[in-house]
Amino acid sequence: GAGVSQSPSNKVTEKGKDVELRCDPISGHTALYWYRQSLGQGLEFLIYFQGNSAPDKSGLPSDRFSAERTGGSVSTLTIQRTQQEDSAVYLCASRSPGQGAMYEQYFGPGTRLTVT
Amino acid sequence: AQKVTQAQTEISVVEKEDVTLDCVYETRDTTYYLFWYKQPPSGELVFLIRRNSFDEQNEISGRYSWNFQKSTSSFNFTITASQVVDSAVYFCALSEARSHNTGNQFYFGTGTSLTVIP
Repeated sequence: GAGVSQSPSNKVTEKGKDVELRCDPISGHTALYWYRQSLGQGLEFLIYFQGNSAPDKSGLPSDRFSAERTGGSVSTLTIQRTQQEDSAVYLCASRSPGQGAMYEQYFGPGTRLTVT
Repeated sequence: AQKVTQAQTEISVVEKEDVTLDCVYETRDTTYYLFWYKQPPSGELVFLIRRNSFDEQNEISGRYSWNFQKSTSSFNFTITASQVVDSAVYFCALSEARSHNTGNQFYFGTGTSLTVIP
């Protein structure tokens, strides 16, 4: 079946511009995560959506970052007034239905963002 | 405090050597799950294994084996007879089963970069 998809795969933008990154989770997965991975670094948690509950935004690095999840499916991560330090790979992951801790995350291929 | 610690940042081994990747976790939950993921140079993270806190049996899958020890809060990953294709970054992760189940309860370690030299 279809996995997690992300678009675009690569995005180059000028400093100060806004960007939108999209994530299509696996159908039926209620949990969705966004992570940021800088070159050679680990996964930095950004935000977590679970069903209709309020998202956990505790990982967002600044108020320039926001995310939405429409209809419990597709999610968009928006970065306003991009800075060079925002350059990274942005990974999306979804997780099986329900809130069980046992379920693994399935990752998309990521969006490589470069801010010039 | 780090909930998942992978103290080895980078490891290099020669092909056919065995290698063990360490993972130490911290949790107050009695029910939790541990995971390993592989991130090859292509970039996409691949799920390898899940273990629950009630099952301490070691698991073997081909050249891969996992050693879960609650007494030391460790979930180590061993690759036997390593191959060049094993070169990747490996992440250990913890998922906690909180009773109220709010917020993000999934924690990743910082990863270990494994290079297998031909």
